[in-house]
Amino acid sequence: GAGVSQSPSNKVTEKGKDVELRCDPISGHTALYWYRQSLGQGLEFLIYFQGNSAPDKSGLPSDRFSAERTGGSVSTLTIQRTQQEDSAVYLCASSWGYQRRYNEQFFGPGTRLTVL
Amino acid sequence: KNEVEQSPQNLTAQEGEFITINCSYSVGISALHWLQQHPGGGIVSLFMLSSGKKKHGRLIATINIQEKHSSLHITASHPRDSAVYICAVGRDRDDKIIFGKGTRLHILP
Repeated sequence: GAGVSQSPSNKVTEKGKDVELRCDPISGHTALYWYRQSLGQGLEFLIYFQGNSAPDKSGLPSDRFSAERTGGSVSTLTIQRTQQEDSAVYLCASSWGYQRRYNEQFFGPGTRLTVL
Repeated sequence: KNEVEQSPQNLTAQEGEFITINCSYSVGISALHWLQQHPGGGIVSLFMLSSGKKKHGRLIATINIQEKHSSLHITASHPRDSAVYICAVGRDRDDKIIFGKGTRLHILP
């Protein structure tokens, strides 16, 4: 594929349920990022994967959030026991290289999560 | 105080006008990014710069490292430029990306 893809594009769930969001980065990109954009708010960093290194989880808002990246490619972001404040657009981005400071990020279209 | 501040928050202009969006930051950075987000759409990276000036078509981005300030200019603005423009910086102490809240631009035909 040409770009970063995410699925599903929209997810509506009930409070308390678990959800999984998927990100397929651009082939060959070693860095992968998850961000959250709440309504009317700016982008918020969640987690960063670089190659086989341990992920930087410092942006995850609570222990209900977790993410993994299998085989250095596809990533899933899991939110357990969803709460209404988890409603947001979850964006994934990927980039080349080992120094994120120098690398342009390519963004996916996002997953719009609504928790009822 | 946010580490990245953008102004204005909202901007409406007529087609053809010269547009300037400003970004100020308070941390040491390794790079500054300008992103564009269309309504209901994804995010596109416009520029990544660490010094000087870059130009792409009708878009120009400048950065002044000493003053910790960047501007995004759009010449001969067009309704299709209507979008949210987001400034983001790579914080040099930990490489984290910090985002501004965005500037919502609306160009009237």
